[in-house]
Amino acid sequence: GEDVEQSLFLSVREGDSSVINCTYTDSSSTYLYWYKQEPGAGLQLLTYIFSNMDMKQDQRLTVLLNKKDKHLSLRIADTQTGDSAIYFCAEIQVNQFYFGTGTSLTVIP
Amino acid sequence: DGGITQSPKYLFRKEGQNVTLSCEQNLNHDAMYWYRQDPGQGLRLIYYSQIVNDFQKGDIAEGYSVSREKKESFPLTVTSAQKNPTAFYLCASSPDPRPAHYGYTFGSGTRLTVV
Repeated sequence: GEDVEQSLFLSVREGDSSVINCTYTDSSSTYLYWYKQEPGAGLQLLTYIFSNMDMKQDQRLTVLLNKKDKHLSLRIADTQTGDSAIYFCAEIQVNQFYFGTGTSLTVIP
Repeated sequence: DGGITQSPKYLFRKEGQNVTLSCEQNLNHDAMYWYRQDPGQGLRLIYYSQIVNDFQKGDIAEGYSVSREKKESFPLTVTSAQKNPTAFYLCASSPDPRPAHYGYTFGSGTRLTVV
């Protein structure tokens, strides 16, 4: 599979908004996903967006999709210390998931 | 509660030994997957199985083997041929191999260390 790219690290202050960016590769991806991984644990599905949508909001989470640029972002409003984790974007290519490298989010109290 | 169980959580292997990582799911999912996670490299697919008694190689299958004799079980063997096996291994499952909004369900992982 081709590379799904993310920045490796992001630090924000508690209460600020976090924006995690992802560039994916397959313009025909049906769904795009965001997963969260806490230390020493598996991945937990946070949210997804269908490819015919531009935006999806779910409580503190907002997903933006720019299909022209193949750019996906996850915004976390009012970031809390419990949001510290690694965040992965993922796309489907030929019935297989391909994950980004993950962005490690650190929330500073 | 339904879910995926990986065991053991931590595993230590001497060089030259084969070890088997367990993955069991009670979700009645058809498809199961094994990923390897290394720092800064994200997740890389080792093997996957879309149905019992059938499996396919992923991107980094060399030095690994799998079996899928039962729907609920998909064990991964890390053989002595795998040159750099120290990593975090994640098992996942999906009701259907076709893409859908529910994505994959992941186990909690096994950390393998070669000593």
